[in-house]
Amino acid sequence: EPEVTQTPSHQVTQMGQEVILRCVPISNHLYFYWYRQILGQKVEFLVSFYNNEISEKSEIFDDQFSVERPDGSNFTLKIRSTKLEDSAMYFCASSETKFPGGSGNTIYFGEGSWLTVV
Amino acid sequence: AQRVTQPEKLLSVFKGAPVELKCNYSYSGSPELFWYVQYSRQRLQLLLRHISRESIKGFTADLNKGETSFHLKKPFAQEEDSAMYYCALSQYSGAGSYQLTFGKGTKLSVIP
Repeated sequence: EPEVTQTPSHQVTQMGQEVILRCVPISNHLYFYWYRQILGQKVEFLVSFYNNEISEKSEIFDDQFSVERPDGSNFTLKIRSTKLEDSAMYFCASSETKFPGGSGNTIYFGEGSWLTVV
Repeated sequence: AQRVTQPEKLLSVFKGAPVELKCNYSYSGSPELFWYVQYSRQRLQLLLRHISRESIKGFTADLNKGETSFHLKKPFAQEEDSAMYYCALSQYSGAGSYQLTFGKGTKLSVIP
């Protein structure tokens, strides 16, 4: 079964450094997402991406964050000038369908990238 | 505004006992609801969705619009069911996209 893959699985970075988290969505999917889960808290939506632009972003997704699809397969999340509170599991996800409804309306998640900011 | 509420942070049951993980939602449109499961340090996995009316790993969930609930049930808990369970609501966010709003999750612990 196709899967969303993410790298690295775990990254430790110093406060103030830039981090790039990488994702390879499922190949025939057109919609891409990043979610975040701070340890012990719920999963939170960060951003959705379609047709090479951001479709929607949450309040969390401020100017510190950016996303990019640099080529036909990768989808990246860049975090500039990391802060301690950015420590979290970051999940990439992808989906096939454009509209809600129907059996294809499902987001598939990657295994996540643990980011630890020290 | 849409909201998903899972009132129990932790639920402990004995192996073989029935399980019910509660989920209530508030949403102005027609809801689409899911249950996701997250085993220890693994990815979120779709467990089931209400439109499919399916049973996965013995779990079922029925959408009750009158009570705005989507509780997850299993008649006989197994040790391997121990995990975090998240109820989620799908909302159309415009521009041809949608996103999931998650509840805070319930940790299910099945005692041998």
